[in-house]
Amino acid sequence: GESVGLHLPTLSVQEGDNSIINCAYSNSASDYFIWYKQESGKGPQFIIDIRSNMDKRQGQRVTVLLNKTVKHLSLQIAATQPGDSAVYFCAENTDYTGTASKLTFGTGTRLQVTL
Amino acid sequence: EAQVTQNPRYLITVTGKKLTVTCSQNMNHEYMSWYRQDPGLGLRQIYYSMNVEVTDKGDVPEGYKVSRKEKRNFPLILESPSPNQTSLYFCASSSRVISSIYGYTFGSGTRLTVV
Repeated sequence: GESVGLHLPTLSVQEGDNSIINCAYSNSASDYFIWYKQESGKGPQFIIDIRSNMDKRQGQRVTVLLNKTVKHLSLQIAATQPGDSAVYFCAENTDYTGTASKLTFGTGTRLQVTL
Repeated sequence: EAQVTQNPRYLITVTGKKLTVTCSQNMNHEYMSWYRQDPGLGLRQIYYSMNVEVTDKGDVPEGYKVSRKEKRNFPLILESPSPNQTSLYFCASSSRVISSIYGYTFGSGTRLTVV
């Protein structure tokens, strides 16, 4: 599959442990954030989103935390599985016209799950 | 199945030979966008389109053209490809208001090599 990044920060986690992936975003006025997962050879896939009026949102095995004070997002994955191995991107919505959307992506973090 | 389809998946071409990467979505999305993905740089927006016959430059538009004659199709055109356009390209689509439908849906990517 295609290599999405040779110099990405890498997080190595043992199977069954919890993973925390961090992201610093750039624009304090961003109002919507998304985490994407990209597996080798595939396009990014939506994991979870959060609006700026929330601090926390939970999905199935995933939780996103938003700290607007320091412009920081985190993605927590509970009971990490081998299938979670991928590159994870955060994205912020930086279009404020209300009629369309422009997502700005972070550079990504590679999650490696060891057995 | 709701999807974004890109073709080809892989392409090797020579400098200066015009090429087109096709993108088609079956979700009746108004908004479509092209990104390139390079190691260490994440996803960068090339062009986007808010609707038929409405296109605009993203962050890295130089050397690319797009058209949006029909709602479902958004081809990316390289009139005279150069080696610095060697990259992994993704097409994405979304509804007009991004936060209503879980962000973008991405295609599977096109790996372009220009020699």
